[in-house]
Amino acid sequence: DIQMTQSPSSVSASVGDRVTITCRASQVLDTSWLAWYQQTPGKAPKLLIYATSKLESGVPSRFSGSGSGTGFTLAISSLQPEDVATYYCQQANTHPVTFGGGTKVEMK
Amino acid sequence: QLQLQESGPGLMKPSETLSLTCTVSGGSITNGFYYWGWIRQPPGKGLEWIGNIDYSGHTYYNPSLKSRVTISVDTSKNHFSLNLVSVTAADTAIYYCSKTRGYSVSDFFASWGQGTLVTVSS
Repeated sequence: DIQMTQSPSSVSASVGDRVTITCRASQVLDTSWLAWYQQTPGKAPKLLIYATSKLESGVPSRFSGSGSGTGFTLAISSLQPEDVATYYCQQANTHPVTFGGGTKVEMK
Repeated sequence: QLQLQESGPGLMKPSETLSLTCTVSGGSITNGFYYWGWIRQPPGKGLEWIGNIDYSGHTYYNPSLKSRVTISVDTSKNHFSLNLVSVTAADTAIYYCSKTRGYSVSDFFASWGQGTLVTVSS
C-alpha cells in the first residue's frame, strides 16, 4: 500500500495567516490522483481539492493545492474561523486508496 | 441534492457480524457511472477505505479487510450494504458511506453520509 505522511500533525494560526500542509507519498503519484479533504468536528469529510490542484465546486478560492511526484501541499491563503478543521490527503493512484494521518488546523 | 444515510446497530459484541445499509436519496444509484463505497474512522483517528461497489455489483475491497467484508447493492431499494464478519474492538469506528467522484477503481469520494458510530464491546 502507498503510505501517505502529513506534516505537521497540527498547526495553530491567526485569522488571515497563510497555512500550508504537506503530504508525502511513499511512491510517486500521478498528479491526477491526489486529493485533499476537510473534516470539521463531528462531520463527515468534505472533498476540497482533487487532481492535486482542482477545487471542488463551491470551495473558496483561498484554498489551493500543488505538488508532484511524492510531495504535495495544501495552502490556505488567509485563514478564516470556519477553516478550523482536520485536513486529510488521499491518493487514488494505486489500489487500495489510502489517506494521510491528518493535520489539525486550530485558531490562535 | 444527493443524500446518503447510514443505518445499522450502534453497539455490537465481539465475533458478531456488522451489517450497515446506506440509503441514497435525491438520485438513483443506477444513474451514471460511479462507485458507492464504505470508509471508516476509529474515534479520534484517521480514515480507512473499506471497499466500493458499482450499481451492477462489481466490488473492490481493501486487501486488509477483504477476507471479512462483503458489499452488496439493491437497486430496487436504492441502497447498498456492508457486512463485516467476526468483529473485534478494533472495528469500533464511525462508518461512512460515500459516492465516488468518477468511475475509477481507485477514486475520490465526493459525497458522504453523516456517518454512524459502531462500538464493539463485550
